[in-house]
Amino acid sequence: EVQLVESGGGLVQPGGSLRLSCAASGFTFSSYAMFWVRQAPGKGLEWVSTISNRGGNTYYADSVKGRFTISRDNSKNTLYLQMNSLRAEDTAVYYCAKEGPTYCSGGSCNSAEYFQHWGQGTPVTVSS
Amino acid sequence: DIVMTQSPDSLAVSLGERATINCKSSQSVLYTSNNKNYLAWYQQKPGQPPKLLIYWASTRESGVPDRFSGSGSATDFTLTITSLQAQDVAVYYCHQYYSTPHTFGQGTKVEIK
Repeated sequence: EVQLVESGGGLVQPGGSLRLSCAASGFTFSSYAMFWVRQAPGKGLEWVSTISNRGGNTYYADSVKGRFTISRDNSKNTLYLQMNSLRAEDTAVYYCAKEGPTYCSGGSCNSAEYFQHWGQGTPVTVSS
Repeated sequence: DIVMTQSPDSLAVSLGERATINCKSSQSVLYTSNNKNYLAWYQQKPGQPPKLLIYWASTRESGVPDRFSGSGSATDFTLTITSLQAQDVAVYYCHQYYSTPHTFGQGTKVEIK
């Protein structure tokens, strides 16, 4: 059974930093791209960041680019999100998510970057 | 960025009746090389993380009841719940994974009439 367990959230002052972790189990972690998605209180879902299976490619929402850094340790089956220069608008529940299995047809394969599995989320509150 | 627009924002349906949610993308999410629509649907109940229902626009995730179905192509998509059950009360989101940044619709809240 796939399990994703986030940790590291909490209350932080504006301008501060936090490091979120997501411990993965139940699948071959190093084979899948991973994501962070957030949800502000009472609001919808917002993609934050993507990291490829080996960590060589990373992507960020414009709202966090230059402030957040996604990384992974495949030897520890753990995904991270380093969040610096936090702002009030970063207040949200942060979810890690795993992509779906690669889709192959006719000899070619494509990634399946829908969010097949989600963690329970870790809340981050940025406030003085 | 691809903008995803859902309609309606909310709907109330009687138990056993059909619920239909629409999702429109600002540009096509159909990848012509593999003829796949890069569109997913999620269900989110209060206090819970989202749950994947449908991917590739119409493929039901394992374990999802067959009263949930997805249809559409290119820019226009629909999630249908054929016989609404009490446990289907939730917010539903569409999501395009055709290009980065990934984007979601604003959500549709489904309630019991």
